Amino acid sequence: TQLLEQSPQFLSIQEGENLTVYCNSSSVFSSLQWYRQEPGEGPVLLVTVVTGGEVKKLKRLTFQFGDARKDSSLHITAAQTGDTGLYLCAGAGGTSYGKLTFGQGTILTVHP
Amino acid sequence: NAGVTQTPKFQVLKTGQSMTLQCAQDMNHEYMSWYRQDPGMGLRLIHYSVGAGITDQGEVPNGYNVSRSTTEDFPLRLLSAAPSQTSVYFCASSYWGREGEQFFGPGTRLTVL
Repeated sequence: TQLLEQSPQFLSIQEGENLTVYCNSSSVFSSLQWYRQEPGEGPVLLVTVVTGGEVKKLKRLTFQFGDARKDSSLHITAAQTGDTGLYLCAGAGGTSYGKLTFGQGTILTVHP
Repeated sequence: NAGVTQTPKFQVLKTGQSMTLQCAQDMNHEYMSWYRQDPGMGLRLIHYSVGAGITDQGEVPNGYNVSRSTTEDFPLRLLSAAPSQTSVYFCASSYWGREGEQFFGPGTRLTVL
């Protein structure tokens, strides 16, 4: 069974601060996805990383896939109240392309 | 396009009752899946399907059945509801491939008394 450990579980910061969320595993993933979920809704994809060492930027969000494809991070610069939500990492392993293993999630609260 | 739709939005069952959660997608995706979301545990895969007539078990399949008679529909059946099945259930669909974005429905909040 592949496991993804996501940390921290909770993050409460002030608007303008920077933050990083980590997603770690002992297993190799063929790709890793980051989702954001609002209360009462389903998760929505932010980004997919597929190459070891890959870095993708989405405005103030920077996503990195580890060289060994076992870990990933999400960095938010100058957080805004609109960034508040649940952030989930999900890994696709081996030949099971469609089967995702999700981390436990990080609840981010950005205070004005 | 409606995307992924789920019904009902909320449901309360008594222990031992059965019910079917409905899921439909209009994006012609081959892959569909069911997850349950519990506090502090992310999403856990219950069952998935790679096409009509093909289903397989995920991480937590016990107590649930699925079938895929059409590309569009993927219902989840609870055979005999138990309090441990109280959760939020999400259906998702995607194209088959390692970069396939999963599109999630709005979820069904199920309470088993």
